Amino acid sequence: AQRVTQPEKLLSVFKGAPVELKCNYSYSGSPELFWYVQYSRQRLQLLLRHISRESIKGFTADLNKGETSFHLKKPFAQEEDSAMYYCALSGNFGNEKLTFGTGTRLTIIP
Amino acid sequence: DAGITQSPRHKVTETGTPVTLRCHQTENHRYMYWYRQDPGHGLRLIHYSYGVKDTDKGEVSDGYSVSRSKTEDFLLTLESATSSQTSVYFCAISDYDRGWTEAFFGQGTRLTVV
Repeated sequence: AQRVTQPEKLLSVFKGAPVELKCNYSYSGSPELFWYVQYSRQRLQLLLRHISRESIKGFTADLNKGETSFHLKKPFAQEEDSAMYYCALSGNFGNEKLTFGTGTRLTIIP
Repeated sequence: DAGITQSPRHKVTETGTPVTLRCHQTENHRYMYWYRQDPGHGLRLIHYSYGVKDTDKGEVSDGYSVSRSKTEDFLLTLESATSSQTSVYFCAISDYDRGWTEAFFGQGTRLTVV
């Protein structure tokens, strides 16, 4: 069974400090991993995916298959980063479900 | 914004009554999903569809059924609503073409079962 674990429900970080949101997964095969973000009163939206290796809004995430992790990082937190962050997983071929973790609420302290 | 709409946006219903939520898309995406969002539980998959009349269960499917008779519509039915089904329900769509596209989410339906 596929599973996504986000161990931190809440995370508070001072503005300008580094941010790391943890995500671990379980999947028997090659997964596709994503980070989605939900800002207050907005729809859930894609932040980044591991296959594109992009940096979006200063966030990066590296897939570590040995540790089955996909942690989200940003070197300097900004107030506008306050939001709910979800890690998600799917298989890398069709007919697969998209599974989300329980989410981490990130609060940036001014 | 991707063309995905949910209806109704808000609903209050009584325990034991059937309820149907609708998700409509104009993107011609193959995959459609229903999730419920609850504090402390994040987004939990109820059912999903990978094509017309092709559906499968998610992790919290008990008490729910779905139907997809055409590409653009995915219906979620609570057969006999219970208070534990009070939640915010999200529909999402995505597609697969040598990799997954971004999943686009509806604005959610807030359902209260009294």
